[in-house]
Amino acid sequence: GAVVSQHPSWVICKSGTSVKIECRSLDFQATTMFWYRQFPKQSLMLMATSNEGSKATYEQGVEKDKFLINHASLTLSTLTVTSAHPEDSSFYICSARDLGGDRLRSPSTDTQYFGPGTRLTVL
Amino acid sequence: GEDVEQSLFLSVREGDSSVINCTYTDSSSTYLYWYKQEPGAGLQLLTYIFSNMDMKQDQRLTVLLNKKDKHLSLRIADTQTGDSAIYFCAERTGGYNKLIFGAGTRLAVHP
Repeated sequence: GAVVSQHPSWVICKSGTSVKIECRSLDFQATTMFWYRQFPKQSLMLMATSNEGSKATYEQGVEKDKFLINHASLTLSTLTVTSAHPEDSSFYICSARDLGGDRLRSPSTDTQYFGPGTRLTVL
Repeated sequence: GEDVEQSLFLSVREGDSSVINCTYTDSSSTYLYWYKQEPGAGLQLLTYIFSNMDMKQDQRLTVLLNKKDKHLSLRIADTQTGDSAIYFCAERTGGYNKLIFGAGTRLAVHP
């Protein structure tokens, strides 16, 4: 099946530093990837939609200068939390849209496959 | 606006059936999904249903959709301890591949 990985799985950093999180689709190409944030015991909140070769689309209230997204290839998207602060501590999850697989298996589901998440703790 | 609501907690005995309910507001939703999240992990797609269907069965899982009432349910037959997790329903908003998630239902299975 479609596999999405994230690296690192957890990271602890000092306030004011920047942290980069990678999201990779391992066995399929993803023209679109999504970045979510999940607070403890809460739902996933979509932060931005990342399209290969173009600028990301951010959801309302998400600072694009603070959460930099780069989708440089069909299998990799990165999220950089710049000048991190304790309130940025959260569980960040990415997902990737398997467009090619969808056409072969389920043409209309447009399924998103999720990575295992990255837990960020800012001290 | 778009909103998805779920009850937050469900406790069942091992071997019983579990029913997790969800309501949504976007009448133009095309697909509705159920995801499972185990502690410290990402989301695993369990099943989905297209909006023109009212039922879908997949082994122990049965999804019921009442489009008129915008109500979705997930029934897990013969619930096992390994089913303990948080279950999220999500709607795909019309026209976009954007998922709106409910808050998640924590399922606890006890002996």
